[in-house]
Amino acid sequence: SAVISQKPSRDICQRGTSLTIQCQVDSQVTMMFWYRQQPGQSLTLIATANQGSEATYESGFVIDKFPISRPNLTFSTLTVSNMSPEDSSIYLCSGALAGGTDTQYFGPGTRLTVL
Amino acid sequence: AQSVTQLDSHVSVSEGTPVLLRCNYSSSYSPSLFWYVQHPNKGLQLLLKYTSAATLVKGINGFEAEFKKSETSFHLTKPSAHMSDAAEYFCVVSEPGAGSYQLTFGKGTKLSVIP
Repeated sequence: SAVISQKPSRDICQRGTSLTIQCQVDSQVTMMFWYRQQPGQSLTLIATANQGSEATYESGFVIDKFPISRPNLTFSTLTVSNMSPEDSSIYLCSGALAGGTDTQYFGPGTRLTVL
Repeated sequence: AQSVTQLDSHVSVSEGTPVLLRCNYSSSYSPSLFWYVQHPNKGLQLLLKYTSAATLVKGINGFEAEFKKSETSFHLTKPSAHMSDAAEYFCVVSEPGAGSYQLTFGKGTKLSVIP
């Protein structure tokens, strides 16, 4: 398995501000992903974080709202920009191991509340 | 396109009785199938994974799931529920595509265990 950590674990933010979430994975991980889990809902993929290049975003998610960086193999950030109460969710990062496996291991999540 | 249907949004069992969480999937390819568990205020933990090696898959904490291609089902079972099993369970399907593995999550089944 892989070890994934995130910070912060939770935050309460004001409307119009931005929050950057950090994700650290162990060295076995090659692919990294960011998900959103809205209250009472399942997980929705936001984007695939690509090392050294722009992230690949899913339909309905744009770089201006959710800029993602992945400067090296083991670290990625997700920024939630110009927040509104509708952005209140749990944000999770995940990693897939090297070797082409499709198993993803998840971080503990960041619980974001926007007032 | 792939999809997952979890047939019950909420299942309630008494401690010591069997657990059955139902999942049906749709996939254009030979999919990988997963069950993840999410305890309150926690991230997702991988319970088990089906690839194609065996139709009956054993996971952690006494859970197992059986892949039935003819029924396109992947139901999760446990012979005897424990209080610590109370959590949200997600059935997930994966297909390779566009160079990365896309996970599609079911809407989740909340398992309650009654003492």
